[in-house]
Amino acid sequence: QQPVQSPQAVILREGEDAVINCSSSKALYSVHWYRQKHGEAPVFLMILLKGGEQKGHDKISASFNEKKQQSSLYLTASQLSYSGTYFCGTENFGNEKLTFGTGTRLTIIP
Amino acid sequence: DGGITQSPKYLFRKEGQNVTLSCEQNLNHDAMYWYRQDPGQGLRLIYYSQIVNDFQKGDIAEGYSVSREKKESFPLTVTSAQKNPTAFYLCASQLRGANVLTFGAGSRLTVL
Repeated sequence: QQPVQSPQAVILREGEDAVINCSSSKALYSVHWYRQKHGEAPVFLMILLKGGEQKGHDKISASFNEKKQQSSLYLTASQLSYSGTYFCGTENFGNEKLTFGTGTRLTIIP
Repeated sequence: DGGITQSPKYLFRKEGQNVTLSCEQNLNHDAMYWYRQDPGQGLRLIYYSQIVNDFQKGDIAEGYSVSREKKESFPLTVTSAQKNPTAFYLCASQLRGANVLTFGAGSRLTVL
């Protein structure tokens, strides 16, 4: 079953922060985050494997709440280069397939 | 440079015709995947293969077929049985034991 992402779209001014959420109706084994710029292939950002794990690089980080079956992606002091569509992908226990959410379109304006 | 090559990038076909999309990787990855992308629906898994000569249906396999005769190649055929084939198709590969998917640039199929 597809994870649910929210919001579907968000517009920010450069320097503002954003949070993208990803929720699953089933227990999660892992959560993956990808970013796709318009007309390009999705690119891997990070993976979270343990409940409560937090990861990040540069000003993009993510958390994984195993109990709530959800993950959040945090974009701090957004830059123009952060624009794109963000997808979470989830793996459930006993299911090796990665199922992607519907995506969140992020637009950063100067 | 290693990567995934999808071809063609754009394809137009008449309704009722079968179409084959090519996906080739030189990353020596074991697993390969086909996803379909429609506006507002994210990436949906069509078929995947973890080893040569073996593949499994994904969530929306109806109307599609695949083969995996070589490790580096995983072509997708969109058959006339697929009721709404117009979409953006993405191929991906993954090294066994790794968590990262590497995607190709995609093929946009338009059925007229």
